[in-house]
Amino acid sequence: DTAVSQTPKYLVTQMGNDKSIKCEQNLGHDTMYWYKQDSKKFLKIMFSYNNKELIINETVPNRFSPKSPDKAHLNLHINSLELGDSAVYFCASSQSTGVSDTQYFGPGTRLTVL
Amino acid sequence: GDSVTQMEGPVTLSEEAFLTINCTYTATGYPSLFWYVQYPGEGLQLLLKATKADDKGSNKGFEATYRKETTSFHLEKGSVQVSDSAVYFCALITNNNDMRFGAGTRLTVKP
Repeated sequence: DTAVSQTPKYLVTQMGNDKSIKCEQNLGHDTMYWYKQDSKKFLKIMFSYNNKELIINETVPNRFSPKSPDKAHLNLHINSLELGDSAVYFCASSQSTGVSDTQYFGPGTRLTVL
Repeated sequence: GDSVTQMEGPVTLSEEAFLTINCTYTATGYPSLFWYVQYPGEGLQLLLKATKADDKGSNKGFEATYRKETTSFHLEKGSVQVSDSAVYFCALITNNNDMRFGAGTRLTVKP
């Protein structure tokens, strides 16, 4: 069974559209994250949720809105997509917010904005 | 702020060569340190971790020791294989649970 899953794996869309990426974890973890990996492979955290509450919100345009309907899901909705949003987006989860808690990553969603 | 600096690649080695990928960090407090690996077309996988000074993480022949005195967590493997070709990321978790990654080092191992 996949521990952290994301859908879709690939997403190609036009500028200006609104799209969502879904993430689910079956590890029973309390904390979930979204990361963006740019074309140079640099990974940057975007959001973190613990027990459905937002705990980290980096400087991300407000076109990006995370939604956590329950502890096992953290979806990412993006409004008015721009060319610069093209990247690979990774979801991750960890047991809690402890400094030694390992984060487990999903397979990534490659978003291409045309 | 807290950050991770790792040697930039790409790194190209022949099979059975010795590998070192340098990683140093800047952090307040006592972060946990990680190495993640990303194989072509796949997501990130945890390779190894260390949670306190002098801890050694190891997995699949890879090792890294948490050196507080030099703020380093260098990744080593004695004999690389073609299947080790991937991008390797050094990372730390800050006191507020924010994971910071290095820029990644691409390793290519040739037969």
